[in-house]
Amino acid sequence: RKEVEQDPGPFNVPEGATVAFNCTYSNSASQSFFWYRQDCRKEPKLLMSVYSSGNEDGRFTAQLNRASQYISLLIRDSKLSDSATYLCVVKGAAGNMLTFGGGTRLMVKP
Amino acid sequence: DGGITQSPKYLFRKEGQNVTLSCEQNLNHDAMYWYRQDPGQGLRLIYYSQIVNDFQKGDIAEGYSVSREKKESFPLTVTSAQKNPTAFYLCASSISPEQYFGPGTRLTVT
Repeated sequence: RKEVEQDPGPFNVPEGATVAFNCTYSNSASQSFFWYRQDCRKEPKLLMSVYSSGNEDGRFTAQLNRASQYISLLIRDSKLSDSATYLCVVKGAAGNMLTFGGGTRLMVKP
Repeated sequence: DGGITQSPKYLFRKEGQNVTLSCEQNLNHDAMYWYRQDPGQGLRLIYYSQIVNDFQKGDIAEGYSVSREKKESFPLTVTSAQKNPTAFYLCASSISPEQYFGPGTRLTVT
């Protein structure tokens, strides 16, 4: 079983749609959680951290369910510019090492 | 202009040659990392360094070497022992727990 698992997609949605991605992680001792965005042939960029209480940044909402060991990302009112691969990232209990999921590809269509 | 720089952006080498990829940061981060990304896959950790003059192997260190003589610099050498060196190489630095990435170097070995 992979440490961090994501549905690779692609998720094809029309502009204005709401789309949600889930991610599961295997290490129950994981401490920190993030969503990164990666555009085609570019480096990953931090989108948002995921807090236990859930957090929102504009059209983006991230949630963490420690009991079920999954993280979610909700994007409301999708824009064409949201088209990218979204990486679920988990930090373990020790050290600063991050483990990356394989990414979920989102394509927003006009 | 603060950030992480990697050079060159594209690199072509013949099989059997060693090649060194540059990574420089002016963010005053202690920790630096090297990842490899293959098409359609997640990031895999090659080496990391938490402090100057110290570094540790990641998950896929075989065929690679690094040095950390200065806080700002963490070069990666891809040796001829690396069986499948063609990939997208990403350098990151961290103030913990988030990591920030450079633009990457695309290495092609033929």
